[in-house]
Amino acid sequence: AQTVTQSQPEMSVQEAETVTLSCTYDTSENNYYLFWYKQPPSRQMILVIRQEAYKQQNATENRFSVNFQKAAKSFSLKISDSQLGDTAMYFCAFRDVSGNTPLVFGKGTRLSVIA
Amino acid sequence: GAGVSQSPSNKVTEKGKDVELRCDPISGHTALYWYRQSLGQGLEFLIYFQGNSAPDKSGLPSDRFSAERTGGSVSTLTIQRTQQEDSAVYLCASSLKWDSLQPQHFGDGTRLSIL
Repeated sequence: AQTVTQSQPEMSVQEAETVTLSCTYDTSENNYYLFWYKQPPSRQMILVIRQEAYKQQNATENRFSVNFQKAAKSFSLKISDSQLGDTAMYFCAFRDVSGNTPLVFGKGTRLSVIA
Repeated sequence: GAGVSQSPSNKVTEKGKDVELRCDPISGHTALYWYRQSLGQGLEFLIYFQGNSAPDKSGLPSDRFSAERTGGSVSTLTIQRTQQEDSAVYLCASSLKWDSLQPQHFGDGTRLSIL
């Protein structure tokens, strides 16, 4: 079974600074997808970024980028130029390519952006 | 456009009562997922519907939990004889199809409190 581990329960960052959230996972699959979701206080889960394991190039979405290290099974999220609106819970998630399994989530990291 | 809609937003009920939680997925989305998020925890998969296929019920924690999806659209999650440990936020998500890379769009969840 796949597992996802987020080792930082809480983090804080000053506005306009850069912060990196850690995620590691365990799987015997060679091909899969990885995601970062953001959950603000409104509760709605919002997809931030996704990465296909067979792509070596790290995904980027504006201020958000990932550092995908397949051999180390690591998938960290970097937020540049942090904004107050980035304050939220961030969840790392894994899914195999078959689509026959649901997303497997980590326990989340609570990020606070401080003015 | 309309997103995933869940009702009620909040539900408070007494231990031992039955509850029904509703999810309206995005129109045209064939895959529908239920997750449970307990306080301070990540998302726990409950059940997954894909088109007309038999649902994946592997995440349901006990036989008190059941779900159905009528006409391939609206889904209802039913918890019978509720217990205090059932208190959590129940999140519903839908995606365009089973393809793992398709993002899951989440509703705002139902916060269930068992007294």
